[in-house]
Amino acid sequence: EDQVTQSPEALRLQEGESSSLNCSYTVSGLRGLFWYRQDPGKGPEFLFTLYSAGEEKEKERLKATLTKKESFLHITAPKPEDSATYLCAVQAGGDMRFGAGTRLTVKP
Amino acid sequence: GAVVSQHPSRVICKSGTSVKIECRSLDFQATTMFWYRQFPKQSLMLMATSNEGSKATYEQGVEKDKFLINHASLTLSTLTVTSAHPEDSSFYICSARTGNAYNEQFFGPGTRLTVL
Repeated sequence: EDQVTQSPEALRLQEGESSSLNCSYTVSGLRGLFWYRQDPGKGPEFLFTLYSAGEEKEKERLKATLTKKESFLHITAPKPEDSATYLCAVQAGGDMRFGAGTRLTVKP
Repeated sequence: GAVVSQHPSRVICKSGTSVKIECRSLDFQATTMFWYRQFPKQSLMLMATSNEGSKATYEQGVEKDKFLINHASLTLSTLTVTSAHPEDSSFYICSARTGNAYNEQFFGPGTRLTVL
C-alpha cells in the first residue's frame, strides 16, 4: 500500500535557525512528489514538484530535494512568516496521497 | 500561478438542509477536479475525483448520495452536501488540475461548513 510519512510532526525554530523537514514514501510508480504550504484556515499553496531522484528545486529560503525513498524540504534562515504547515504529497497511479504534514513555528 | 476559487468561504446551516459549494478554476481549464475534507490538525482526505462531463469517482466510505458532485464545465465543479448533519461539519477544499497526473493540483481557499 502506498504510504507517505512526514517528520517531525511539529518543529519549532528560532528565526535564522536552518533545518529540514522529511517526507518518506513507499509507492509504486511515482509520478511526482509535491510540496505544499498550508496556513490555518486556508487551502494548500503549491510550492514544488519533483519528478526524479536527484532533482532539486529552490524558492527563496526553501529548497526541495528528492531521492528514491524520501524528500527533504530545507529551510535556510527561516523567518516568522515561514510559520505554516508543510504538506508533502505523492502522485502514483490515479490519486495524490498526502502526508500528515509538519507544523513549523518560527519564533522571532 | 493558477488560481482556484471557492464559494462560499464559510457557511452555517441547520441540520437537514442542503449546502452547495462551488469551485472554479479562474485562469485555466481544469480537466480534473478533486474534493477533499480536512479535520482540525489533520491532513487532507480525498473524497472524490471528477472529470468534466463524467460522473465523479468517490473514495471508499464516502456516500455519493450525500455528497453530490457535478463537474459541469472545465472551470466549475460543485459539491452539494445533502441533508447535512453536525458530523458533516468540516473544512472542505477543492483542487483543480490540468493535463495528466504528472501535473500539480492547485487548491482553492476552502469552505468552512458548520451544521447546527
